[in-house]
Amino acid sequence: DQQVKQNSPSLSVQEGRISILNCDYTNSMFDYFLWYKKYPAEGPTFLISISSIKDKNEDGRFTVFLNKSAKHLSLHIVPSQPGDSAVYFCAASVGGSQGNLIFGKGTKLSVKP
Amino acid sequence: NAGVMQNPRHLVRRRGQEARLRCSPMKGHSHVYWYRQLPEEGLKFMVYLQKENIIDESGMPKERFSAEFPKEGPSILRIQQVVRGDSAAYFCASSPTRATYEQYFGPGTRLTVT
Repeated sequence: DQQVKQNSPSLSVQEGRISILNCDYTNSMFDYFLWYKKYPAEGPTFLISISSIKDKNEDGRFTVFLNKSAKHLSLHIVPSQPGDSAVYFCAASVGGSQGNLIFGKGTKLSVKP
Repeated sequence: NAGVMQNPRHLVRRRGQEARLRCSPMKGHSHVYWYRQLPEEGLKFMVYLQKENIIDESGMPKERFSAEFPKEGPSILRIQQVVRGDSAAYFCASSPTRATYEQYFGPGTRLTVT
């Protein structure tokens, strides 16, 4: 049973427009959420995170929104750039003694010039 | 500041052989995590270690897989008697403390079992 779901395997966006990547989760014990970006043949790169006590976190062109009641988070990239083309993974964590991250299957973003 | 280092980057093993994957965490990081990614899948947690201790191995297959993080040297993920289903990308991540949720990943080792 997947606890973190990214239902869109791919997304295509025009350069300069907004990219919105979505993520749903089922475990109400998750208290921290992260987004990672991954290029082919490389490891995931940490992008941005949000604690469950917040509903928004912003870092430059990247903003993450968290809707706890809907168990939904989204990553907004604006404006999108061709270099943003990559696979984006949503991940979640339960605090305390557990250290592992639980990942979604990823969404492949293509930003067209 | 060097990132997480993994070697080898690519490893080919025949069925029945042993695979050893190495991970050196970022400087100052004492927490190491191993994940496996199968094709078209997300990363799946395997094991979480601190120096000389296994903290959480709930994601490790019960047989053939083991991990260690000795006092000196890199963390090692060991797969004995590899089978074709072990072919995957294995990623190591590190963090400075348990309280830090962000984990920083290495480039991965791509294991191919022939």
